[in-house]
Amino acid sequence: KAGVTQTPRYLIKTRGQQVTLSCSPISGHRSVSWYQQTPGQGLQFLFEYFSETQRNKGNFPGRFSGRQFSNSRSEMNVSTLELGDSALYLCASSFTGSRNTEAFFGQGTRLTVV
Amino acid sequence: GQSLEQPSEVTAVEGAIVQINCTYQTSGFYGLSWYQQHDGGAPTFLSYNALDGLEETGRFSSFLSRSDSYGYLLLQELQMKDSASYFCATHTGGFKTIFGAGTRLFVKA
Repeated sequence: KAGVTQTPRYLIKTRGQQVTLSCSPISGHRSVSWYQQTPGQGLQFLFEYFSETQRNKGNFPGRFSGRQFSNSRSEMNVSTLELGDSALYLCASSFTGSRNTEAFFGQGTRLTVV
Repeated sequence: GQSLEQPSEVTAVEGAIVQINCTYQTSGFYGLSWYQQHDGGAPTFLSYNALDGLEETGRFSSFLSRSDSYGYLLLQELQMKDSASYFCATHTGGFKTIFGAGTRLFVKA
């Protein structure tokens, strides 16, 4: 079966712009989580969605937002981009998002803010 | 706060055994997972421990001690392809997963 698909793979944006990233989970998976990965910082949790509802949110400013559609596809948006937002953004899907459920990651979107 | 500590780098020789440690401090703990990530690749799930003890999956084993807030990943019969970053992650209540900063494993011939 198809894995988690993230688009676009690479993106270059200018400070102050906004960006939307997309994540299509594995078919049948209803939980989608988003992470920001920067060198030396590991994966920082952004938010988790299940059945179109945000169930938890990490410690990121309000410029970071997301949503999930009825087909479980998810988008995250970053407004007023800053240089520090340059990172690899990963999404992960699972059946339920429960703690004992294996999460499957996409290849990520590499965002560069100039 | 919630944090996980793991070594930044480990180097080992092909065929050897290596242990990657992880200590955690979280409010609410429901288990420890391990993920592997090759350069340019996506993290992939390796193991999950909810209870104390050792879980074995082929060449990889993972251990958890809840009383010590400590776990480790053990890789046996190291191969060059095991060179990657390894992340421990804790699962808290509320469908939130916290990852460590990762341990870069270098396997030498």
